[in-house]
Amino acid sequence: AQTVTQSQPEMSVQEAETVTLSCTYDTSESDYYLFWYKQPPSRQMILVIRQEAYKQQNATENRFSVNFQKAAKSFSLKISDSQLGDAAMYFCAYRSPPGTYKYIFGTGTRLKVLA
Amino acid sequence: GAVVSQHPSWVICKSGTSVKIECRSLDFQATTMFWYRQFPKQSLMLMATSNEGSKATYEQGVEKDKFLINHASLTLSTLTVTSAHPEDSSFYICSARDRLQSGAYNSPLHFGNGTRLTVT
Repeated sequence: AQTVTQSQPEMSVQEAETVTLSCTYDTSESDYYLFWYKQPPSRQMILVIRQEAYKQQNATENRFSVNFQKAAKSFSLKISDSQLGDAAMYFCAYRSPPGTYKYIFGTGTRLKVLA
Repeated sequence: GAVVSQHPSWVICKSGTSVKIECRSLDFQATTMFWYRQFPKQSLMLMATSNEGSKATYEQGVEKDKFLINHASLTLSTLTVTSAHPEDSSFYICSARDRLQSGAYNSPLHFGNGTRLTVT
């Protein structure tokens, strides 16, 4: 069975600094998709970034980028120039290949942004 | 675009009563919707997959008769918690998959704002 592990329950970062959130996963599949979702206090789940396992190039979305290491089954999220609005719970999610839309979420990392 | 509306956002009910939670895709059609449960400071746990016009598929350990799911149209799925007990108190979140993006396997889920259920 696939599992997603986020080993950092909580992280803090100074405003304008950079922070990296860790995520590891376990799967026997070769084709899958990885996502980072953000859940602010409003509880709305917001997609931050996504990565296809077959792509070697790391995904980037403005201040957000990932370090995808397929062999190591690692998928970390880097937030550059952190802003107060980045404070939220961040969930790493794994999705198995076509035919199913089952997402497996990690336990989340609470990010605090210090002014 | 891709807005999912979940109603109510919070509800308090007495033990033994039933509560219905609605999940609507406002600007897209959703052939598949998903219901998650989130305990405090924990992750989202998939409860069931709801397919339009067919029976829901429940995850192991989720009681079908307790958590009734109906997906009667391409824009609406409902979760009814029957004979609610205090241990059913939780945060319930629905998500939906855009029918038009069914061929895009990396397409994300669109989430509702969630419903906080408190059973007294």
